Amino acid sequence: GAVVSQHPSWVICKSGTSVKIECRSLDFQATTMFWYRQFPKQSLMLMATSNEGSKATYEQGVEKDKFLINHASLTLSTLTVTSAHPEDSSFYICSALAGGGGEETQYFGPGTRLLVL
Amino acid sequence: DAKTTQPPSMDCAEGRAANLPCNHSTISGNEYVYWYRQIHSQGPQYIIHGLKNNETNEMASLIITEDRKSSTLILPHATLRDTAVYYCIVSTHSGYALNFGKGTSLLVTP
Repeated sequence: GAVVSQHPSWVICKSGTSVKIECRSLDFQATTMFWYRQFPKQSLMLMATSNEGSKATYEQGVEKDKFLINHASLTLSTLTVTSAHPEDSSFYICSALAGGGGEETQYFGPGTRLLVL
Repeated sequence: DAKTTQPPSMDCAEGRAANLPCNHSTISGNEYVYWYRQIHSQGPQYIIHGLKNNETNEMASLIITEDRKSSTLILPHATLRDTAVYYCIVSTHSGYALNFGKGTSLLVTP
């Protein structure tokens, strides 16, 4: 099956610093990637849709200036949490779209756990 | 996308079949049924999807009723490693972001 990686797997940072998370599709090209966030004991919530070569589409309530998304190639999307605060501590998960013909499948990365002190 | 209803939790003995139900009574004709699972502290794992025919792969079988208003995911021989939250998601295709809901927490016991 299609493999998606994320780096780093976990990160601890000080409040006010920025953190970059990478999402890579290892064995396929992905025009579209998605970024989700998951707080403890909750389900995944979509943050934004990332399309290669164009601006990301953010969900309501997600600040685009705080969560910068760059999808510069067909195998890499990055999420930068700028000026992170403790309330940004969460599990960030990306997915990449594989396949075509109207029957695409999303494959997910292993997630990145962010702790902001 | 159509909403789905799943039991919040289920138990299954190791080696037995795990049958996870999902109701999606408002599903429309062009919507697929997708199943993912999430093992604790990991990203979701794709299991299987179908439109109206039953599907089987190396992980599981998906049985969709003729009226498509419900489906069942079958893990034929559950192992301890199958303990996870299982999500049934209905979507026109997986190209859209997935609405995960609360899923079913499956506990496989020795």
